[in-house]
Amino acid sequence: KNEVEQSPQNLTAQEGEFITINCSYSVGISALHWLQQHPGGGIVSLFMLSSGKKKHGRLIATINIQEKHSSLHITASHPRDSAVYICAVRSVGGGATNKLIFGTGTLLAVQP
Amino acid sequence: NAGVTQTPKFQVLKTGQSMTLQCAQDMNHNSMYWYRQDPGMGLRLIYYSASEGTTDKGEVPNGYNVSRLNKREFSLRLESAAPSQTSVYFCASRLDRGGWNEQFFGPGTRLTVL
Repeated sequence: KNEVEQSPQNLTAQEGEFITINCSYSVGISALHWLQQHPGGGIVSLFMLSSGKKKHGRLIATINIQEKHSSLHITASHPRDSAVYICAVRSVGGGATNKLIFGTGTLLAVQP
Repeated sequence: NAGVTQTPKFQVLKTGQSMTLQCAQDMNHNSMYWYRQDPGMGLRLIYYSASEGTTDKGEVPNGYNVSRLNKREFSLRLESAAPSQTSVYFCASRLDRGGWNEQFFGPGTRLTVL
């Protein structure tokens, strides 16, 4: 079983829909990251959080440390939001690096 | 600032050939990382460098070597490429000086080994 699990693996939405991507993890963490990867492109950090909720534009990320679960929400989705969204956790006790452990990503396609 | 840069963007090798992937960052970050990304799997750490002059193995180091040439540059070398090393390779860096440090990624190198 992977230490970081994302759901769904694939998601197709219509423009304007509210989207939720989920991430569950099984290790102790110091932080959780949400990353965005466009097709053929690099990886961009969207959020880094350890508690509560963060908002940036139409994106909202929440985390529940007790339940070891995080969600990424996109309000009023747009075709330009189409990308792979990756959840990654920074584990504690992982040596000097405090390594990042990555989920396999959620492929989002927003249709006009 | 250019952030994290990688060269080349694309490369095709024959089995047994060698090559070096270059990575540089201009953010004065302490830590640098090499990952590989394969279909259906999360990014996996190959090697990392917590500071200039130090390197350590990650999750999948076999078949690779690294050099932290200075604070800016961290290269990944394939001495004898194998088809199993066909992947997209990402370099990343992080300030990693206590507190709350974000990790920044390069644009990736798409490597095919025939």
